[in-house]
Amino acid sequence: DQQVKQNSPSLSVQEGRISILNCDYTNSMFDYFLWYKKYPAEGPTFLISISSIKDKNEDGRFTVFLNKSAKHLSLHIVPSQPGDSAVYFCAASVRGSEKLVFGKGTKLTVNP
Amino acid sequence: DAGITQSPRYKITETGRQVTLMCHQTWSHSYMFWYRQDLGHGLRLIYYSAAADITDKGEVPDGYVVSRSKTENFPLTLESATRSQTSVYFCASRRDRAPGQPQHFGDGTRLSIL
Repeated sequence: DQQVKQNSPSLSVQEGRISILNCDYTNSMFDYFLWYKKYPAEGPTFLISISSIKDKNEDGRFTVFLNKSAKHLSLHIVPSQPGDSAVYFCAASVRGSEKLVFGKGTKLTVNP
Repeated sequence: DAGITQSPRYKITETGRQVTLMCHQTWSHSYMFWYRQDLGHGLRLIYYSAAADITDKGEVPDGYVVSRSKTENFPLTLESATRSQTSVYFCASRRDRAPGQPQHFGDGTRLSIL
């Protein structure tokens, strides 16, 4: 039973445009959501997180939005750059747990 | 600041052999984790550790053994490797159990079992 779902395996956008990566979850006990970026042959790198009591968190070009009623979060990258091309993982932590539950990832390609 | 390092980066072995993947972190983080990444599955937790001498199972622990005699090291051993354990393995650490703390990952070990 997949608790964190990234339904789009891939996304392609033009440089300068907005990239929107989506994530759905089923567990109401998740208290934090995190986004990781992964380049080939490297480990995932932490990008941005959001607490379940917030609905938005922003860090430079990256903004994460959380819609608790829909159990949905999204990562917006504006403007997108070719260096943003990577696999993006959505992850969630259960309240009181140190573990993370990961989605399967979305491969973003930003075309010059 | 070396961070978290995994060795070897690549390993080829045969079924039935024992193989150990190493993970070392220089941050003195309390928590350490082992994941495997397979096509169609994302990252799945194998084992984790809250401190030296404290380990616990994750989602897919069968066929793996871990130990943590020192805070900075968290080796993962496949006692009798099987082809289904061919995967990319990632080690991660987390500073403490404060809510929202991110995990920080090593660059992975690509393991092929023939």
